Amino acid sequence: QQQVKQSPQSLIVQKGGISIINCAYENTAFDYFPWYQQFPGKGPALLIAIRPDVSEKKEGRFTISFNKSAKQFSLHIMDSQPGDSATYFCAASIRNFNKFYFGSGTKLNVKP
Amino acid sequence: DVKVTQSSRYLVKRTGEKVFLECVQDMDHENMFWYRQDPGLGLRLIYFSYDVKMKEKGDIPEGYSVSREKKERFSLILESASTNQTSMYLCASSPTGNQPQHFGDGTRLSIL
Repeated sequence: QQQVKQSPQSLIVQKGGISIINCAYENTAFDYFPWYQQFPGKGPALLIAIRPDVSEKKEGRFTISFNKSAKQFSLHIMDSQPGDSATYFCAASIRNFNKFYFGSGTKLNVKP
Repeated sequence: DVKVTQSSRYLVKRTGEKVFLECVQDMDHENMFWYRQDPGLGLRLIYFSYDVKMKEKGDIPEGYSVSREKKERFSLILESASTNQTSMYLCASSPTGNQPQHFGDGTRLSIL
């Protein structure tokens, strides 16, 4: 049983468009929600993260939107660029626990 | 800069062999993790360690064991390799508490 469900599995976006990746969870004890970006041949790297006391966090072209009541969070990539083409993972963890639960990943392809 | 180093990028072994995957971090992190990454399944936790000589099973520990004799080093052991253990293996580390994980670049292991 997957603790964090991620969709879509793959995404194709034109350059300049908005990429949106969604994640949903069930465990209300989760209180930290990071997104990771992985390029081919590399390990995942932290992109942006949010805690449930805020509904949105923005860093440059990347925004996390968080809906606590719906138990959903999403990553928005504005003005998507070919260099954003990568696999994106959402994750969730519980305070004072060291274990992270990862989504299944979304492969993003930004067409020039 | 934070660094997690996995000893091999590619490894080919035979069924029944005992296989060792090594991981070293230079950040003095308390927590270390081993994941396997398979297409469509995301990152699945095999084992993690929150202190030297301490370990806990993750979601898919069967067929694996781990060793952490020093804080900076975390080894994953395949006791008797099988073809269904062919996968990408990722090591990660993090400070104690709800902190993001830092990943190595992975070891692609093929069991023939």
